[in-house]
Amino acid sequence: GENVEQHPSTLSVQEGDSAVIKCTYSDSASNYFPWYKQELGKGPQLIIDIRSNVGEKKDQRIAVTLNKTAKHFSLHITETQPEDSAVYFCAASRAGGTSYGKLTFGQGTILTVHP
Amino acid sequence: EADIYQTPRYLVIGTGKKITLECSQTMGHDKMYWYQQDPGMELHLIHYSYGVNSTEKGDLSSESTVSRIRTEHFPLTLESARPSHTSQYLCASGRGYGYTFGSGTRLTVV
Repeated sequence: GENVEQHPSTLSVQEGDSAVIKCTYSDSASNYFPWYKQELGKGPQLIIDIRSNVGEKKDQRIAVTLNKTAKHFSLHITETQPEDSAVYFCAASRAGGTSYGKLTFGQGTILTVHP
Repeated sequence: EADIYQTPRYLVIGTGKKITLECSQTMGHDKMYWYQQDPGMELHLIHYSYGVNSTEKGDLSSESTVSRIRTEHFPLTLESARPSHTSQYLCASGRGYGYTFGSGTRLTVV
């Protein structure tokens, strides 16, 4: 089955700096890669996603890049703000078959943005 | 506004009790999932369903059971709770790619 590795496990930055979280996956058939943000006491919320036919996607201060050859993808947050502090999860899933739509998550990254 | 609802949010219960964690969604999603989140943050899939009367075990073995009698409802049951069941349980639903998560139930078994 799919295995997703996420690094780093904790990340501390100053407000205004950039933050980068990286993930690798094992299943070359995976073609959908979402990122979730989990705030204290809440469930994870989808913040951005990318499909395998796209190399990069941006949404304001957030961007995700995908390298299918190397089987890794990254989340980039620019101009970080204290409200970006949360746990971030990457995930991967494949189209078709019995695993269709089922997400495999990385281990999570605790991001702390210091004012 | 959340379209997937989990109740209760918090539950403290004694060992040996039977409990049911409720999960309902109003989005008409065919796929629903239960994840267990340990204190180390990791999300472990314990059950999933691709439609009514369809349930499968996830990647992490669990003593819990699930049912899917209605599209919108996916309850999780523990017949006899133990301290090792103490955890956060997250329900999610989706159609195709991506999930929407509920806010979770934090279960403590004493």
